[in-house]
Amino acid sequence: ETGVTQTPRHLVMGMTNKKSLKCEQHLGHNAMYWYKQSAKKPLELMFVYSLEERVENNSVPSRFSPECPNSSHLFLHLHTLQPEDSALYLCASSQDIGGSSYEQYFGPGTRLTVT
Amino acid sequence: AQSVAQPEDQVNVAEGNPLTVKCTYSVSGNPYLFWYVQYPNRGLQFLLKYITGDNLVKGSYGFEAEFNKSQTSFHLKKPSALVSDSALYFCAVRDPQAGTALIFGKGTTLSVSS
Repeated sequence: ETGVTQTPRHLVMGMTNKKSLKCEQHLGHNAMYWYKQSAKKPLELMFVYSLEERVENNSVPSRFSPECPNSSHLFLHLHTLQPEDSALYLCASSQDIGGSSYEQYFGPGTRLTVT
Repeated sequence: AQSVAQPEDQVNVAEGNPLTVKCTYSVSGNPYLFWYVQYPNRGLQFLLKYITGDNLVKGSYGFEAEFNKSQTSFHLKKPSALVSDSALYFCAVRDPQAGTALIFGKGTTLSVSS
């Protein structure tokens, strides 16, 4: 295992529901990331946190709301999603972002289906 | 702007044969280059990276990659493929001058037949 866990592994939600994805890293890293992986498309970076501060937000719709209460935990709060939001959501962490040479460690992902 | 291309959606090889998964990149400066592998229902796993130094980089599971600056390529190679190598492979690039984003290719499915 990579040291990054994600829960739940699978989630089915209606368009009016509110749910949250959780990510936890046990590696002592300072940076955490949310990615969206859709079929036949490159990974899309959604959010980057460094030492609990958001440092990057790639034009993600407001129906996705991240939260990073400490350097080990990252949440993605979901509300009023659309069917096209169905995808695999991956969390990752890295030692830091400043050096830019650090590899990222990924969790197993949450498979989200919006009905 | 930085970008990365994996020109092949799928690569098929027989077990025991050498394999190559291609990657080309475009950045304005000197790139940081990475390879990741994704097995079914799993997240991405780091294989290897090139930051500086020797153009031939060795990584996990017997994989290696060669950085070629003139051809702006970073192809992944293995001398002898295993059926268990069958997976989705992603090349990624970061321009250290351009911020934090790691740009991924769309992925190449490697299928190794026995």
